[in-house]
Amino acid sequence: GENVEQHPSTLSVQEGDSAVIKCTYSDSASNYFPWYKQELGKRPQLIIDIRSNVGEKKDQRIAVTLNKTAKHFSLHITETQPEDSAVYFCAPKWDNFNKFYFGSGTKLNVKP
Amino acid sequence: ETGVTQSPTHLIKTRGQQVTLRCSSQSGHNTVSWYQQALGQGPQFIFQYYREEENGRGNFPPRFSGLQFPNYSSELNVNALELDDSALYLCASSRGGQGATDTQYFGPGTRLTVL
Repeated sequence: GENVEQHPSTLSVQEGDSAVIKCTYSDSASNYFPWYKQELGKRPQLIIDIRSNVGEKKDQRIAVTLNKTAKHFSLHITETQPEDSAVYFCAPKWDNFNKFYFGSGTKLNVKP
Repeated sequence: ETGVTQSPTHLIKTRGQQVTLRCSSQSGHNTVSWYQQALGQGPQFIFQYYREEENGRGNFPPRFSGLQFPNYSSELNVNALELDDSALYLCASSRGGQGATDTQYFGPGTRLTVL
């Protein structure tokens, strides 16, 4: 099965700063790489994803970069806001049928 | 919000009991995956159902079982409950097979407490 590691486990930034979370995975066959945001007591919500034929994808303040050779992908949040405070999970797909292994999560705290 | 719903929202059981959790998938989706999320951890894949058949299983014992119905809704059954089964149980629906898409959408979860 897939071995997924996420770093850091906690991240505290000042409002307006940037935040970067890195996810490494082991299965070279993985071809879809989503990031989820989970607020306390709520469901994980997809915030951005990338496929293996693309190196970078951006959506307003959020971006994801992928390095398939090194088997890692990263979430970048710019101009952080207090409402970005949540737990973020990476979840690379590990087979052709929509099965995902989740990382252990990164708790992001944005201080006003 | 997604079109994925789960019931019940919360459930309290005692050790040794059995529980059934339910999930209704989003319209147009034929695949349901179940995850267990213990406090402070990431969701762990339990199993997946595609067109009423189990289609892959994570590292969970046989007392975790499931069903998928012709309308693609799904049930998760857990027998002989243990204290460690206390967790948030999430289902996620997606479209597999012809016209498959990668994206899965989560339901709000069922919080199970085993005493």
